[in-house]
Amino acid sequence: AQKITQTQPGMFVQEKEAVTLDCTYDTSDPSYGLFWYKQPSSGEMIFLIYQGSYDQQNATEGRYSLNFQKARKSANLVISASQLGDSAMYFCAMRELIRTGANSKLTFGKGITLSVRP
Amino acid sequence: GAGVSQSPSNKVTEKGKDVELRCDPISGHTALYWYRQRLGQGLEFLIYFQGNSAPDKSGLPSDRFSAERTGESVSTLTIQRTQQEDSAVYLCASSLGIGGADTQYFGPGTRLTVL
Repeated sequence: AQKITQTQPGMFVQEKEAVTLDCTYDTSDPSYGLFWYKQPSSGEMIFLIYQGSYDQQNATEGRYSLNFQKARKSANLVISASQLGDSAMYFCAMRELIRTGANSKLTFGKGITLSVRP
Repeated sequence: GAGVSQSPSNKVTEKGKDVELRCDPISGHTALYWYRQRLGQGLEFLIYFQGNSAPDKSGLPSDRFSAERTGESVSTLTIQRTQQEDSAVYLCASSLGIGGADTQYFGPGTRLTVL
């Protein structure tokens, strides 16, 4: 079974500074994908970034980067140059990557609340 | 193009009534997922469709919950004899269904309140 752990209490960051949101995971699957989603107060889930377990490089998407440490089973999200609009819940999720091409569900963590201070 | 849409956005019902929640996926997306999010919690998987078939129904919490998909498009999640513990936001997602880094895109959700 897959498990995602997000244990940080509510996080605060000053505008324009960088912040790291922690995520650890547990799985017996050799091939998996890790995702981060943002959920603002409006409730919609917004995809941010993806990292595959066999990817050699850490994923980056604009101000988002993923600090992937496979041996430690961690996939921390780094947000650089924080903006007020980054205030939201952030969810880490994972999915088994089945070689047959079929899809599978996402397993989510409980989320972390990020508040950006002006 | 249009994203995933869900209706209604809010539903208030009385305990014991049946409800139907609708999801319109992104055009061309063969995979469709239903999740439930209780207040302050992460998302719980309910069911996954590939085309019109459901290879994974493992998250449906009881036989009061059912879902169908027609025309490889619209999906309906039905909850019969609703209970107060069914109150949650029900989120639908769709993806290309190609495996690998296939990303799920979510709709705005339906907030269900059972009185």
